[in-house]
Amino acid sequence: DVKVTQSSRYLVKRTGEKVFLECVQDMDHENMFWYRQDPGLGLRLIYFSYDVKMKEKGDIPEGYSVSREKKERFSLILESASTNQTSMYLCASSGRGGYTDTQYFGPGTRLTVL
Amino acid sequence: TQLLEQSPQFLSIQEGENLTVYCNSSSVFSSLQWYRQEPGEGPVLLVTVVTGGEVKKLKRLTFQFGDARKDSSLHITAAQPGDTGLYLCAGAPFNTGGFKTIFGAGTRLFVKA
Repeated sequence: DVKVTQSSRYLVKRTGEKVFLECVQDMDHENMFWYRQDPGLGLRLIYFSYDVKMKEKGDIPEGYSVSREKKERFSLILESASTNQTSMYLCASSGRGGYTDTQYFGPGTRLTVL
Repeated sequence: TQLLEQSPQFLSIQEGENLTVYCNSSSVFSSLQWYRQEPGEGPVLLVTVVTGGEVKKLKRLTFQFGDARKDSSLHITAAQPGDTGLYLCAGAPFNTGGFKTIFGAGTRLFVKA
């Protein structure tokens, strides 16, 4: 059974704190993604990685960085959290199928920045 | 800007009714995917449509991909409370290289018992 796990379901942080969101997949997938989901805006891609140590900016990378040191793990880092980064963060992974390859999602982390 | 517009944004219906939700774009897609997301969970893939004009059925759900590959629809027959959730369409526009999947904002469906 495919599985994408995220380190926390709920997280509350203060403005200026450094925040780490961890994602682990057990499907040996090449591609991993970080999205944020906000009401009325859908899912927006922050960063993705197509291989270990490789990363590409998505549509809204500002204020975020990522790390992929191992194939199964993709971390999202908020260097200095701000209130406008309060959101639901979703991690996903997919194989090497290109356009039609299924993205498998984790349960999400709801982050609140006070 | 390449967008996927979903309509309606919200739908509240009685159990047993039929409904159709739409996903439209001015861009051409090589494929479109439909996901369903329940509160507090990540999206789960329902179907991928690949060929223009394609119709796929998944029990009471019927998915159609437009002939021009710019739009898709999801029809649910005899909706049940278990169908309640956020329905998202997604796709990679033809000219983005395959990784730049974009998502619509979703249709939030609520089926009353």
